[in-house]
Amino acid sequence: DAGITQSPRYKITETGRQVTLMCHQTWSHSYMFWYRQDLGHGLRLIYYSAAADITDKGEVPDGYVVSRSKTENFPLTLESATRSQTSVYFCATNPSPGQGNTIYFGEGSWLTVV
Amino acid sequence: SQQGEEDPQALSIQEGENATMNCSYKTSINNLQWYRQNSGRGLVHLILIRSNEREKHSGRLRVTLDTSKKSSSLLITASRAADTASYFCATDEGTYKYIFGTGTRLKVLA
Repeated sequence: DAGITQSPRYKITETGRQVTLMCHQTWSHSYMFWYRQDLGHGLRLIYYSAAADITDKGEVPDGYVVSRSKTENFPLTLESATRSQTSVYFCATNPSPGQGNTIYFGEGSWLTVV
Repeated sequence: SQQGEEDPQALSIQEGENATMNCSYKTSINNLQWYRQNSGRGLVHLILIRSNEREKHSGRLRVTLDTSKKSSSLLITASRAADTASYFCATDEGTYKYIFGTGTRLKVLA
């Protein structure tokens, strides 16, 4: 039982290319999140989803697109990658945030845009 | 802007000493959580404190919350080399958007 699986774990892409980072969970948690982590900025929320077909913007959504057609998957797409999107991306889940439940994190996807 | 700001940004202590790190936030919250991140890994939950609680303990961890000052502290007692990691606070305003701070990098010297 892997819990949260992120793929790819490591990716190098060129400026202007479209990149999709995949996130799959096996728990059926309602909430899913995408964060990016950069030195000096900590973790910043990109997008989150309360359930299938329900998504909302976080702190830094520009340049990113998400979808959630199934509860278990929450892909993050960079439509036209820029160097400033070089970062470590973490997918996370939460069964019921209103109850203050733990947030569970994937192992991260390291993305380099050259 | 980010909700949580940890202080100090980096902390280096000797094994056996206590480590204290602080988190300040800007708006009213439902709860505050602390997470740990080992180098190159995802974050792992340590402890949660609700807005109506003032102090909570879990093993060698002690968390306090002062809602009037919008601040929280995490104390790790009798630190070990294995405690070397980055520590983050995360706040929930009730909007289900968990906002993390910039983190404190703790180094415990053996």
